[in-house]
Amino acid sequence: DGGITQSPKYLFRKEGQNVTLSCEQNLNHDAMYWYRQDPGQGLRLIYYSQIVNDFQKGDIAEGYSVSREKKESFPLTVTSAQKNPTAFYLCASSLRVRIHTEAFFGQGTRLTVV
Amino acid sequence: AQKITQTQPGMFVQEKEAVTLDCTYDTSDQSYGLFWYKQPSSGEMIFLIYQGSYDEQNATEGRYSLNFQKARKSANLVISASQLGDSAMYFCAMREGDTGTASKLTFGTGTRLQVTL
Repeated sequence: DGGITQSPKYLFRKEGQNVTLSCEQNLNHDAMYWYRQDPGQGLRLIYYSQIVNDFQKGDIAEGYSVSREKKESFPLTVTSAQKNPTAFYLCASSLRVRIHTEAFFGQGTRLTVV
Repeated sequence: AQKITQTQPGMFVQEKEAVTLDCTYDTSDQSYGLFWYKQPSSGEMIFLIYQGSYDEQNATEGRYSLNFQKARKSANLVISASQLGDSAMYFCAMREGDTGTASKLTFGTGTRLQVTL
């Protein structure tokens, strides 16, 4: 089955620790995205990548880092510099970057920092 | 300024009735695309419907239709014959394309729809 896999579904970390969220897609999509969702704020774009070995900051990139070494994979690291990392993180991909191309989403990772 | 505005935090509708979820957008681009997504309590985002800025007809997809009023910059989602399974968060989103890239998909804050018996 083609799709986007995010793991783990739930993640707990101590304050001050870096943590990496996994996102893998087997849809052969060029573009991949990371969004953060907080209650009442909708989805906010963290980073996006249009092709392998290239990525751009979104609206709230501070405290996050990404890599795109393979087309299928776009891991997100939440660093200790992120002041309020507890949130629901969604990974998405789209075939191309055109105005008509919809994004497909993974199931999300709920990160709780204690 | 907000690119996508959804002014209804929550809506109730009776089963089998129609409901309209509001979305207004802000862009100076001539070329853009508008999307609606559904997010059930499980958290996944499900694509529902798409409307392009140059499309002359309103998009329809089964029980979903998009009431596109370009001059008012609104793209309201209409769900006909509501079902209990329609209870979810609904998000409006936009890609802008005039800059040569349509990389960013920008979302509104969402509307929580509750379908009642």
